[in-house]
Amino acid sequence: EDKVVQSPLSLVVHEGDTVTLNCSYEVTNFRSLLWYKQEKKAPTFLFMLTSSGIEKKSGRLSSILDKKELFSILNITATQTGDSAVYLCAVAWEYGNKLVFGAGTILRVKS
Amino acid sequence: SQTIHQWPATLVQPVGSPLSLECTVEGTSNPNLYWYRQAAGRGLQLLFYSVGIGQISSEVPQNLSASRPQDRQFILSSKKLLLSDSGFYLCACRSSYNSPLHFGNGTRLTVT
Repeated sequence: EDKVVQSPLSLVVHEGDTVTLNCSYEVTNFRSLLWYKQEKKAPTFLFMLTSSGIEKKSGRLSSILDKKELFSILNITATQTGDSAVYLCAVAWEYGNKLVFGAGTILRVKS
Repeated sequence: SQTIHQWPATLVQPVGSPLSLECTVEGTSNPNLYWYRQAAGRGLQLLFYSVGIGQISSEVPQNLSASRPQDRQFILSSKKLLLSDSGFYLCACRSSYNSPLHFGNGTRLTVT
């Protein structure tokens, strides 16, 4: 059965800490993996990964995909209270039309 | 860039009443459209997706249905709501299978 698993389910850190969020998947016909941040309402897009070993970076956030081991990580360095959110991972397969999300990681950054 | 309009923002409906949530998209043509439901602020459950007018793929058997009467319009419906239908419903759009998914602002549905 195709599935997307995120870990940890929740995480509390202090400002300035570095966090690593994990997303593993078991799917057939993998096409891409996407990361989103959700605060109050709609998830906002962070990264889309299609190739192994190529890091994508935006400010303090970075992400990388390992297609051999079937996982991705999202790193946040020097965390700030504004990073508090639910971080969602999604995998696209079946020729890219279907996207399934993991349960998410709730991150809380304490000041 | 694409804009996704979703309404209403909040909705309270009694058990057994019908439901119709509408989503319209601007700024792209022939998009892939999606309905997701989110319970308790956690992961998104894929309900339906559509790759074209009249083409609907259902992911979860339930009392909901979806329709796509126009290229940039996606409707989520129910004939009789259940308590378990409460949740946060999100419409999403992507212009191609190589592009990211973008979301509307969602409808928070409470079935009482």
